[in-house]
Amino acid sequence: QSALTQPPSASGSPGQSVTISCTGTSSDVGGYKYVSWYQQHPGKAPKLMIYEVSERPSGVPDRFSGSKSGNTASLIVSGLQAEDEADYYCSSYAGNNNLVFGGGTRLTVL
Amino acid sequence: EAQLVESGGALVQPGGSLRLSCAVSGFTFSTYWMTWVRQAPGKGLEWVANIKYDGSQKYYVDSVKGRFTISRDNAKNSLYLQMNSLRAEDTAVYYCAKWDWGRLDPWGQGTLVTVSS
Repeated sequence: QSALTQPPSASGSPGQSVTISCTGTSSDVGGYKYVSWYQQHPGKAPKLMIYEVSERPSGVPDRFSGSKSGNTASLIVSGLQAEDEADYYCSSYAGNNNLVFGGGTRLTVL
Repeated sequence: EAQLVESGGALVQPGGSLRLSCAVSGFTFSTYWMTWVRQAPGKGLEWVANIKYDGSQKYYVDSVKGRFTISRDNAKNSLYLQMNSLRAEDTAVYYCAKWDWGRLDPWGQGTLVTVSS
């Protein structure tokens, strides 16, 4: 049950694109399609942004997209907006009904 | 609209016990797995436990096995987390969420548990 690895910080200017990586192992990220991404603003509950690697829940802007290659998943935020500034967490199903999260990435919009 | 409301968080001494509740509305509670996730102050998210829709299967992160018990009452649309032998490192905001193959949505607003003497 080791945490997934995310960069602690990322940044971009309004309108730019930024990619946040999430690296695990073949026992979690690499072994399942059940990778999700969550956005968390200060003092708020996390919000689901991406599930099953690249699926977007209704209501989430299409500026948010996801992908996966091997043991690394990525969240891409394009056309950065001020309201995108938040903490982002990846998670992956890890078998046996266990779940593992990444350490989180603070996204700053410059 | 689905809504989850946690309660029961409090200040408790090390070694003490606490029971958290999560009241659910807006979806058919009895047909979904549910989960608890916690977040220590200034730290990241940590999955704690989940439970099958009928309560027949329960899974825990290693650090709480033997101390925490997840349960549910489908007649009351409620999820619970019984926490015993609490430690300082259990201090966190505890969130409940609907679980669907690791997809957690929606989440409650969280309830704060502080373990301190």
